[in-house]
Amino acid sequence: SQQGEEDPQALSIQEGENATMNCSYKTSINNLQWYRQNSGRGLVHLILIRSNEREKHSGRLRVTLDTSKKSSSLLITASRAADTASYFCATGDSGGSNYKLTFGKGTLLTVNP
Amino acid sequence: NAGVMQNPRHLVRRRGQEARLRCSPMKGHSHVYWYRQLPEEGLKFMVYLQKENIIDESGMPKERFSAEFPKEGPSILRIQQVVRGDSAAYFCASSLDLGPISHTDTQYFGPGTRLTVL
Repeated sequence: SQQGEEDPQALSIQEGENATMNCSYKTSINNLQWYRQNSGRGLVHLILIRSNEREKHSGRLRVTLDTSKKSSSLLITASRAADTASYFCATGDSGGSNYKLTFGKGTLLTVNP
Repeated sequence: NAGVMQNPRHLVRRRGQEARLRCSPMKGHSHVYWYRQLPEEGLKFMVYLQKENIIDESGMPKERFSAEFPKEGPSILRIQQVVRGDSAAYFCASSLDLGPISHTDTQYFGPGTRLTVL
């Protein structure tokens, strides 16, 4: 089964607006992580939310997790041009192999100045 | 504290040659993971190593690919007799060791090695 599918595939907004990206997954998870990847660069870890948590904040980021719907959302408030990047969710299985992160194809966020 | 380091950043090989990718984990991290990212795709898990041990290589092709993490030095991902389909970005990640069997869930990624096979 395919895990970590992000939605939408691409999102274009104006600077100052909020950006919301969604992630759905299929199996039981131990945690869900969000990463950012600038074009041609490595991944930057943004935030980790565990399966027993519902919401988490970090600066301008807000992540929610609904395990009953097997979905998560990443909200970036007051977006900046520097937030332009691809955003990936990654899930770690609830079994013994929770280190094996499964990534979606990502959401490409473009923040226009 | 330096992050995860990978080299080279870009590697060009002709079909049939060998590619060796190196990864130095963050200081204090003894768990290393390799992922592959094809164009327009998310990352796919390849292998998980601890010092001198391969813990899980379920995502690594059985042929031509091997990985090691020696007691001293970086982790190496080796691809023998490369083919065009091996062209991808290869990312290494590391995580903290909290004890004999546990580790934190957060994996910190390196900048990747972009392999191009001509």
